[in-house]
Amino acid sequence: DGGITQSPKYLFRKEGQNVTLSCEQNLNHDAMYWYRQDPGQGLRLIYYSQIVNDFQKGDIAEGYSVSREKKESFPLTVTSAQKNPTAFYLCASSTDSRTYEQYFGPGTRLTVT
Amino acid sequence: AQSVTQLGSHVSVSEGALVLLRCNYSSSVPPYLFWYVQYPNQGLQLLLKYTSAATLVKGINGFEAEFKKSETSFHLTKPSAHMSDAAEYFCAVSSYRLGGSQGNLIFGKGTKLSVKP
Repeated sequence: DGGITQSPKYLFRKEGQNVTLSCEQNLNHDAMYWYRQDPGQGLRLIYYSQIVNDFQKGDIAEGYSVSREKKESFPLTVTSAQKNPTAFYLCASSTDSRTYEQYFGPGTRLTVT
Repeated sequence: AQSVTQLGSHVSVSEGALVLLRCNYSSSVPPYLFWYVQYPNQGLQLLLKYTSAATLVKGINGFEAEFKKSETSFHLTKPSAHMSDAAEYFCAVSSYRLGGSQGNLIFGKGTKLSVKP
């Protein structure tokens, strides 16, 4: 079955530690996205990537970093510089360069204490 | 620039009643519009989309939406609510970036639908 996988589902870290969230897709989509979701805030774009070895900052990139070394993979690192890292993180992919319709993974809930 | 406004962060209906979730958009170009549904602690699932074909769009689970250019609206409806419809619903519009770089979707803040027995 084609789809997007995110692991782990739940992640707990201590404040001051970097943490990397995994996102893998086997849909052969070129574009991939990372969103952050907080209650009542909707989805906010962190980073996106159109092709391998290229990515752009979204609206809230500060404190985050990404890489795109393979078409299937787009990991997100939440650094210690991110002031409020506790959130639900969603990865998405798209192959439609006209409408940007996106397919979503199941999400990772990160809790930092 | 594109934007989306969802009126009402919470909507409550009785089982069997009409569901109406409101979405208004702002776009300087012909928009592509989407409704997604999210169940607790899950990702988003596409309900339906408007891509400039028919203005009345039918989606999964009995939902439909009508694109009204004059009202800049794309409201989501379902004639008869089921308990299983309880979820959060997001409206989204395609956002185009200048210079040919990849665009993305702009999401509304979401509407939580509760269904009472």
